[in-house]
Amino acid sequence: DTEVTQTPKHLVMGMTNKKSLKCEQHMGHRAMYWYKQKAKKPPELMFVYSYEKLSINESVPSRFSPECPNSSLLNLHLHALQPEDSALYLCASSLGQGPPKNIQYFGAGTRLSVL
Amino acid sequence: GEDVEQSLFLSVREGDSSVINCTYTDSSSTYLYWYKQEPGAGLQLLTYIFSNMDMKQDQRLTVLLNKKDKHLSLRIADTQTGDSAIYFCAESITTGTYKYIFGTGTRLKVLA
Repeated sequence: DTEVTQTPKHLVMGMTNKKSLKCEQHMGHRAMYWYKQKAKKPPELMFVYSYEKLSINESVPSRFSPECPNSSLLNLHLHALQPEDSALYLCASSLGQGPPKNIQYFGAGTRLSVL
Repeated sequence: GEDVEQSLFLSVREGDSSVINCTYTDSSSTYLYWYKQEPGAGLQLLTYIFSNMDMKQDQRLTVLLNKKDKHLSLRIADTQTGDSAIYFCAESITTGTYKYIFGTGTRLKVLA
């Protein structure tokens, strides 16, 4: 089983709202990732958690706040977003952060629209 | 720079072979990957190759690696309409973070 589950599939929010994206895996993976993907572009890395600790933050604005409550769950809290934050948000997980354990498996994504 | 280059678009007829090319940047990358993304979906891992290999075959997929030229290719035999998607190559950089650098993506269109 290589399943990464993301909820919700779609989200529409206003610029003053607070919402959260959720990602779950039960493969025993210890690294989890958030990516942002704009249309017709490759995914852009936002955050990496390794063993439930934040290991990479790609200079993401503070209106995006990641959280890793346990090894199976990854959240992305959203607050005061801008219309340009509208995108597909992808979660991924891997056994570990370095090769050969860093083969990443992706969820189906959350399509976010900010009005 | 960190640009991983792919051609933007490829169109083939059903039943033909497709070859998608990728030029990567980090000559010390240990693993290189191919992902498929269908419209509105996440990325599906198709295959990967370790850098000490020249070729890897997996059913209809053949990956070729030329380390000297930093060139990676994905050949899809007997291409089907269900293969229509965007294909991304990715390299895992070796400078500490091991994060992926994705290619620009190739949109494959299969004509019936």
